[in-house]
Amino acid sequence: EAEVAQSPRYKITEKSQAVAFWCDPISGHATLYWYRQILGQGPELLVQFQDESVVDDSQLPKDRFSAERLKGVDSTLKIQPAELGDSAMYLCASSLLAGDVDTQYFGPGTRLTVL
Amino acid sequence: KNQVEQSPQSLIILEGKNCTLQCNYTVSPFSNLRWYKQDTGRGPVSLTIMTFSENTKSNGRYTATLDADTKQSSLHITASQLSDSASYICVVRGGGSYIPTFGRGTSLIVHP
Repeated sequence: EAEVAQSPRYKITEKSQAVAFWCDPISGHATLYWYRQILGQGPELLVQFQDESVVDDSQLPKDRFSAERLKGVDSTLKIQPAELGDSAMYLCASSLLAGDVDTQYFGPGTRLTVL
Repeated sequence: KNQVEQSPQSLIILEGKNCTLQCNYTVSPFSNLRWYKQDTGRGPVSLTIMTFSENTKSNGRYTATLDADTKQSSLHITASQLSDSASYICVVRGGGSYIPTFGRGTSLIVHP
């Protein structure tokens, strides 16, 4: 069964350092999402891609976060510089289309700890 | 503001027992509501999706209900198993935005 791949699974960094997360969606899925999930809370959408284009990044802290999906397949989320409050699970999800009822398939996430 | 509130925050039950999780939302106009199961350290997995015209949907031992008038949904788990231990998240779409609104989840622990 096809799955969304993410790496690394765990990342520990010191504040002010740069970190990057990678996501490979299910083959053929045009829509890709990055979420941030703070412990004990639901996921919060950071950015949505349709193919290589950003559809929505209104909740992405653009002073330190950036995301790209250059060839419309895999994607990278970067944080520079990392802050203590960035400690969270970063989830990537993909869906075949961007429709309202289209199922999002989530990857296992990257657990980030900022010291 | 679109909001999704889930209760209880956490729940502990014995294996074999039934339980019901609640989800109240303020999202309007309503498009659809999903229940996700999230195992510890894993991404969420969709259990059910319900649109406005549906008031009940089952997926094995999971049954979701929807009352669009009162803006409430419930997830009923029958004959719980140890593998049901997870966080259950309610997600609502609508409110004039295609960005889904996530609840904080209910943490369920099933004890043997």
